[in-house]
Parts: sequence; structure tokens; C-alpha cells
Amino acid sequence: AQTVTQSQPEMSVQEAETVTLSCTYDTSESDYYLFWYKQPPSRQMILVIRQEAYKQQNATENRFSVNFQKAAKSFSLKISDSQLGDAAMYFCAYRINFGNEKLTFGTGTRLTIIP
Amino acid sequence: EAQVTQNPRYLITVTGKKLTVTCSQNMNHEYMSWYRQDPGLGLRQIYYSMNVEVTDKGDVPEGYKVSRKEKRNFPLILESPSPNQTSLYFCASSLLAIGETQYFGPGTRLLVL
Repeated sequence: AQTVTQSQPEMSVQEAETVTLSCTYDTSESDYYLFWYKQPPSRQMILVIRQEAYKQQNATENRFSVNFQKAAKSFSLKISDSQLGDAAMYFCAYRINFGNEKLTFGTGTRLTIIP
Repeated sequence: EAQVTQNPRYLITVTGKKLTVTCSQNMNHEYMSWYRQDPGLGLRQIYYSMNVEVTDKGDVPEGYKVSRKEKRNFPLILESPSPNQTSLYFCASSLLAIGETQYFGPGTRLLVL
């Protein structure tokens, strides 16, 4: 069974600095998707970034980027120029490619931004 | 406004009393899903649905039922709730496959005494 591990329950970063959130996963599949979601205090789940396993290039979305290491099964999220609005719970998630729509989440990392 | 709605938002009930949490989306999404969120365990998928009358189990389906008779609605049914089902529940929908850009509902906080 697939598992997703986030080993940092809490992280903090100074405003305008860069922070990296860790995620590792375990799977025997070769074709899958990885996601980072943000859950602010409002409880909505916002998709931050998505990575297809078959793509070697790391995904980026504005200040958010990932470091995808397929062999190491690692998928970290880097947030550059941290802003107060980035404070939230961040979840890493995994899904195999089409045919199985089950989504597996990590336990989350609570990110605090220090003004 | 595109949204996923859940009702009720808060619910206190007793063991064994059947309950239903409704979920509705107005975006004509095919894919819908239910999650529960517990401290230290993160989000766990309960059931998902790829279309009307097509549902499948997630990671923690025991004690839950779902139905998808209409595209917009995906209710979660607890036939005989137990205290270990006390949790925060989220419904979500997406146009494409589960795990793509998902729109989450506001959550339903359930307490089973």
C-alpha cells in the first residue's frame, strides 16, 4: 500500500525567507502524481502544486517549487519569499495514474510565518 | 459562485443513531470524495465517486456508506455511528480525476457520544 510521510509536524520561517517542507512516499508504481495542498484556518483545501512522476522537470508555481527525487521517493516543497498569508497546514498527497482514483495524504506540516 | 456545500457544519449525536451528512457541488464535477481529518493522522479518504452510480472505497471505508444518485450530490451515511467516528469531515469535488484541483467543502465537525 502506498504511504506518504511528512516528518515535520511544525515549521516556522521568518517573513521573506525561504522554507522547505519535506515529504517522502512509498510506492511500487512508476506512474503517479504528487501534490501539495494548503489548508488555511478557513479549512478549505487549496491545491498548491502538482507533479507528474514521468516528468523529470520540477514543477513550479510562482513562489512555490518542488524538488522531486523519484529514485529517493522524495517530494519537498520550497516556498520562497514567505508571506504572512502562507501560514497554514500543508499536506503532501499521492495518487497513481488513471485507473485508481484513491488519494493518499501525509499527516501535514503546520507552517508558521514570523513577522 | 462555484462551491461545495456540506450540511450540517456541526453535529453532536449518540452512538448508534443513524445520520447523513449531505454534500452538494454546483460545478458539474464528475469526481467527488469524502475525507476525514484527525489530529496526527492527517486526511484520510473514505469513499470516492467517479460519476453517477460509480463509487469506490478509499483508505478508511469501514462504518460508512455513500451514494451517488445525482451528479451534484454525494451524501455520507453513518448507519450506526461510534465514538471513533468523531472527526472533521470534508467533501470535495473535481472536474477531472481525484487529486487534481479539488474544491473542498467547509467541513463538518462530528462528535459521537
